[in-house]
Amino acid sequence: EVQLVESGGGLVQPGGSLRLSCAASGFTFSSYSMNWVRQAPGKGLEWVSYISSSDNTIYYADSVKGRFTISRDNAKNSLYVQMNSLRDEDTAVYYCARGDHSSGWLLDYWGQGTLVTVSS
Amino acid sequence: DIQMTQSPSTLSASVGDRVTITCRASQSISSWLAWYQQKPGKAPQLLIYKASTLESGVPSRFSGSGSGTDFTLTISSLQPDDFATYYCQQYNSYSPTFGQGTKLEIK
Repeated sequence: EVQLVESGGGLVQPGGSLRLSCAASGFTFSSYSMNWVRQAPGKGLEWVSYISSSDNTIYYADSVKGRFTISRDNAKNSLYVQMNSLRDEDTAVYYCARGDHSSGWLLDYWGQGTLVTVSS
Repeated sequence: DIQMTQSPSTLSASVGDRVTITCRASQSISSWLAWYQQKPGKAPQLLIYKASTLESGVPSRFSGSGSGTDFTLTISSLQPDDFATYYCQQYNSYSPTFGQGTKLEIK
């Protein structure tokens, strides 16, 4: 059974940093691209970042470019996002999601999410 | 970025009704369109991909159609478990985008 479990969320002040993790199991993690998607409270879904299976291709949404860094450790079956210079508008539930083999941006499995709150 | 526009934003319906949600892309995305269902406090779940292909395990009352810029999600006979929020998503480009969501409510 495919499982994605996010962790690392919490309360952080504006301008602060946070690192989220996503532990994957139930599939060959190194064979799949991965994504982060976020959802602000009461709002819709926003794609944040993508990393290919071998981490040689990375993309970011304009809203986080230069502040967030996605990475993965295939030996540990883990996905990460380092979030710096956090803003109020980064407050959201952050989901990790697996990219389908046919298209890395077709999100076939999602974690349960971790809440990041940016507030003073 | 490709903009995705869903309508309606809210839909009130009864168990057994046939409902349709539409999604329009700001430019052609061929058939690179997915639909997700999200229940309160839960992660989205993939229902349909490539505009009309049902994900494994999804009931056959769900169907999708369309290509280019105009797409629809149809639920042929609403069940109590179907009341949720539905999102379309284009995955034609490296910057995937979602519609704003359609909340399906019990009438």
